[in-house]
Amino acid sequence: AQKVTQAQTEISVVEKEDVTLDCVYETRDTTYYLFWYKQPPSGELVFLIRRNSFDEQNEISGRYSWNFQKSTSSFNFTITASQVVDSAVYFCALSEEGRGSTLGRLYFGRGTQLTVWP
Amino acid sequence: NAGVTQTPKFRILKIGQSMTLQCAQDMNHNYMYWYRQDPGMGLKLIYYSVGAGITDKGEVPNGYNVSRSTTEDFPLRLELAAPSQTSVYFCASSPRIKRGSNTEAFFGQGTRLTVV
Repeated sequence: AQKVTQAQTEISVVEKEDVTLDCVYETRDTTYYLFWYKQPPSGELVFLIRRNSFDEQNEISGRYSWNFQKSTSSFNFTITASQVVDSAVYFCALSEEGRGSTLGRLYFGRGTQLTVWP
Repeated sequence: NAGVTQTPKFRILKIGQSMTLQCAQDMNHNYMYWYRQDPGMGLKLIYYSVGAGITDKGEVPNGYNVSRSTTEDFPLRLELAAPSQTSVYFCASSPRIKRGSNTEAFFGQGTRLTVV
């Protein structure tokens, strides 16, 4: 079973629209970490945010915001006033700390391709 | 500060050939990982290492080997290349991770490998 599900394969928006990328995760561990990475067309992976399971505070960084809800096992990512430069594949990832877990190992979702049109 | 450096960036192999994907990090990180990324599939863990001399299998280790003789280097070896190994390979590293204190992984630029 997928530990991280990103149900949206592709999203297209027009510049200045807001867009939310969904991420649902599955784990039995009480301590875990959630991440978002951005993969622009150039191919590298750019770290965006890390959130641990004990901190459900939402976070805002400029046009980016993240909504972490343990009750629904979701860690959604919103881009406000999207720009063409936001076009990329976005990955949500999970790292677990339970017994038998490989510390630091990341379980990735399949990614969401975001295209922002001018 | 170079971070995580992977070489080569691109490579075409013929079926049955072997090659080594190089990965080096200059951040003195203990943990290093190899992932492969197939189209539409996210990244899957091939092998990982928690320190020099210690390696272990990940989710998809078949057809690959690794070694970790130094903290800095973590090469990935393909012995008999097969078309199923056509993929983009990412090396990553993390500082020593303690329970309750995980950090993000730092990724290399990737190696795009095609086996024909």
